[in-house]
Amino acid sequence: ILNVEQSPQSLHVQEGDSTNFTCSFPSSNFYALHWYRWETAKSPEALFVMTLNGDEKKKGRISATLNTKEGYSYLYIKGSQPEDSATYLCAPSRGNKLTFGTGTQLKVEL
Amino acid sequence: SQTIHQWPATLVQPVGSPLSLECTVEGTSNPNLYWYRQAAGRGLQLLFYSVGIGQISSEVPQNLSASRPQDRQFILSSKKLLLSDSGFYLCAWSQGEWNQPQHFGDGTRLSIL
Repeated sequence: ILNVEQSPQSLHVQEGDSTNFTCSFPSSNFYALHWYRWETAKSPEALFVMTLNGDEKKKGRISATLNTKEGYSYLYIKGSQPEDSATYLCAPSRGNKLTFGTGTQLKVEL
Repeated sequence: SQTIHQWPATLVQPVGSPLSLECTVEGTSNPNLYWYRQAAGRGLQLLFYSVGIGQISSEVPQNLSASRPQDRQFILSSKKLLLSDSGFYLCAWSQGEWNQPQHFGDGTRLSIL
């Protein structure tokens, strides 16, 4: 079982703030690192799948970086909006099997 | 486009009763299929995954079983539910390659009384 840690556990920001979260995972036998957004009353939605050390991916105001040698990934949200409020999950994979962290719960307030 | 259906949305069952949760995927063929559980205060835990009909891998020892009778159908079952089986169950699918994202159903909230 992989040890996956996400920090912070929860975060409250004001609309317009930029924020970032951290995902730490074992660097050995790395396949890929997934990020998901899970809004209340909805199903988890895939944001990124990252495979290469130094990878950087972007989707609108959300971006992510990956360091496979030291075992961490950062997720950034620029100019947070209320609709960004959700739990953000990371999950390293070994083959098709994902191990999820407990997530960072983001609340964006007006 | 691909869709995933999972039912029921909510289920309340007594201890010792059987369970059957069903998940179907449309718009794709030969998907990988997954069952996850989120227990209270915990992260999503992979329970079972399947790469083809009749092929099931169990990730953790437990009171549950899974079956894949058809290509796009995945069933989670139990003969006798325990209190510890309570939780939120999610079905997901992905394309075959390991670097593909997983796509989740809406989940089933299972409460055991």
